[in-house]
Amino acid sequence: LAKTTQPISMDSYEGQEVNITCSHNNIATNDYITWYQQFPSQGPRFIIQGYKTKVTNEVASLFIPADRKSSTLSLPRVSLSDTAVYYCLVGFRRFSGGYNKLIFGAGTRLAVHP
Amino acid sequence: DGGITQSPKYLFRKEGQNVTLSCEQNLNHDAMYWYRQDPGQGLRLIYYSQIVNDFQKGDIAEGYSVSREKKESFPLTVTSAQKNPTAFYLCASNPVSGTDDQPQHFGDGTRLSIL
Repeated sequence: LAKTTQPISMDSYEGQEVNITCSHNNIATNDYITWYQQFPSQGPRFIIQGYKTKVTNEVASLFIPADRKSSTLSLPRVSLSDTAVYYCLVGFRRFSGGYNKLIFGAGTRLAVHP
Repeated sequence: DGGITQSPKYLFRKEGQNVTLSCEQNLNHDAMYWYRQDPGQGLRLIYYSQIVNDFQKGDIAEGYSVSREKKESFPLTVTSAQKNPTAFYLCASNPVSGTDDQPQHFGDGTRLSIL
């Protein structure tokens, strides 16, 4: 199982770009990289997912180098409402089209300051 | 609106009592999951189910039980055998796809406390 390592906490200011890097040295061929955001007393919210290279959606970008041993979540121009815990996960399917097992670490606590 | 509904939001249990947490989804997802989250930690998998009438133990299933009689419902019972049940419980679901991984969608959780 691929475990992930990410910083425990980060601080930023409104309007800045935030990059959170996650390492996953034991990632397997079929594994995807997924990022979630969680606010206190709420369920995690899906942000972005990728397999290789770069993925971009309306809220974030995900950069994955060729060796896939790490990934970087990029949040452009953060606001106070982006203060949350961000989880990097490597998920895999036990068999095609089936159960998607996710391994959650402690996440990165991002604090955005005025 | 489509989504996952967990109830109740807060639940209190007396010593020796079983309690059942509800999880309902109207997303037509095949797979459903239960996780436990302790303060300052990530989520740990309790049980999961891919189809109706079938479910599998996750990493910390002891002291818990589930059922999956309907596609949209996956209730979790915290039994008296679970000695440390105080935690935040999260239910999730995702569609079963033959090609791409489908991300899990989460409910907003039930916080269980012991009286």
